[in-house]
Amino acid sequence: DAGITQSPRHKVTETGTPVTLRCHQTENHRYMYWYRQDPGHGLRLIHYSYGVKDTDKGEVSDGYSVSRSKTEDFLLTLESATSSQTSVYFCAISEIGNGEAFFGQGTRLTVV
Amino acid sequence: QKEVEQNSGPLSVPEGAIASLNCTYSDRGSQSFFWYRQYSGKSPELIMFIYSNGDKEDGRFTAQLNKASQYVSLLIRDSQPSDSATYLCAVNGGTYKYIFGTGTRLKVLA
Repeated sequence: DAGITQSPRHKVTETGTPVTLRCHQTENHRYMYWYRQDPGHGLRLIHYSYGVKDTDKGEVSDGYSVSRSKTEDFLLTLESATSSQTSVYFCAISEIGNGEAFFGQGTRLTVV
Repeated sequence: QKEVEQNSGPLSVPEGAIASLNCTYSDRGSQSFFWYRQYSGKSPELIMFIYSNGDKEDGRFTAQLNKASQYVSLLIRDSQPSDSATYLCAVNGGTYKYIFGTGTRLKVLA
């Protein structure tokens, strides 16, 4: 299995609080992605990174920010959590950014 | 808005039959296509990718691509109960970006 770890695996937080999810990889892959998965919507790209300090928005980036200060870590921050951000969040890594990706175990986030 | 569409299913097939999963996409410029399998409560895992028109076979799996008609299919031969999962189609939607369909749930009946 690809070395990719998400933390925390489960989190319950209150509306309005900031939340940071962490994705850590040991594969030295250049590309990292954050997706959310919701019933009826499938996997939707939030943000992605194509190198250290290089990030770009996906299709559902509003309310989220990311940072990548090291190759191995990609952080997703919900600046002020809302109930609509209750979801399962997946991190993925790709060596050459061609769609062949390995996914982390996922983080189930509940905003109450 | 670039779109990838899949029938949500469930698609039920008897054990040993061929399961056929379909995916259509809106961006005529898409060049690369991927199939992921996701078991309930688990993360997606890549099972096939295809870049060129035609068929690509890997064991019991065959991916078929028709760029003119903008669809990609996944055939699973000799379906097994262990193949029961949701199958996600992904299509490149820009540089380093991939758009996923909502997935088709497959049930293989023993």
